[in-house]
Amino acid sequence: QLQVQESGPGLVKPSETLSLTCTVSGGSISSNSYFWGWIRQPPGKGLEWIGNAYYLGTTQYNPSLRSRVSISIDTSRIKFSLTLSSVTAADTAVYYCARQGGYGSPKYAMDVWGQGTTVTVSS
Amino acid sequence: QSALTQPPSASGSPGQSVTISCTGSSSDIGGYNYVSWYQQHPGNAPKLMIFEVSARPSGVSDRFSGSKSGNTASLTVSGLQAEDEADYYCSSYAGRDNYVVFGGGTKLTVL
Repeated sequence: QLQVQESGPGLVKPSETLSLTCTVSGGSISSNSYFWGWIRQPPGKGLEWIGNAYYLGTTQYNPSLRSRVSISIDTSRIKFSLTLSSVTAADTAVYYCARQGGYGSPKYAMDVWGQGTTVTVSS
Repeated sequence: QSALTQPPSASGSPGQSVTISCTGSSSDIGGYNYVSWYQQHPGNAPKLMIFEVSARPSGVSDRFSGSKSGNTASLTVSGLQAEDEADYYCSSYAGRDNYVVFGGGTKLTVL
């Protein structure tokens, strides 16, 4: 059974870059049916889609974050990463990685989620 | 401000049915049959309950059903149980520019 798991620093200073990794196990990241994405949830608030990547390298990003975000798939094809630059307190959130249906079902839905990792932006 | 609008709360007694709405526009819900619904219990990751408007992933109870009319999607939970008390989020494909948008979430209380 495919699983995904987030990892990375829990504390990032303002103006610096947030970097998180998602490790995929029990399945292949090199599937032509799925995208691999990130979603975040600020404390007490709703979900926000950040973006995703396809194993061949294409990416899609939330327009509100596009200028600061990058998602890439590791050449090992067992990990994918998120970087978010110039962070502020507004970027404090639980960050989830997830498998997202794309060319196959469930289209544009996230069906496998990590447990989430809390990132706090503070000096 | 979320792209999709959900009521902040909904409630029902055990055994009853409750419907949660999710209103968008012709650029998202109205333009595509790619509406999803997620259930989130406190402290847990979201769980996919409905995809492609009305399809259920394997293992999700048939007490959960989805539908869409125009720019509004709906999630109905039938035969309410205590374990259904959670936050519910809708999402929709929004085209190649916006891609995926979420609603603000609805807290479902089982009375």
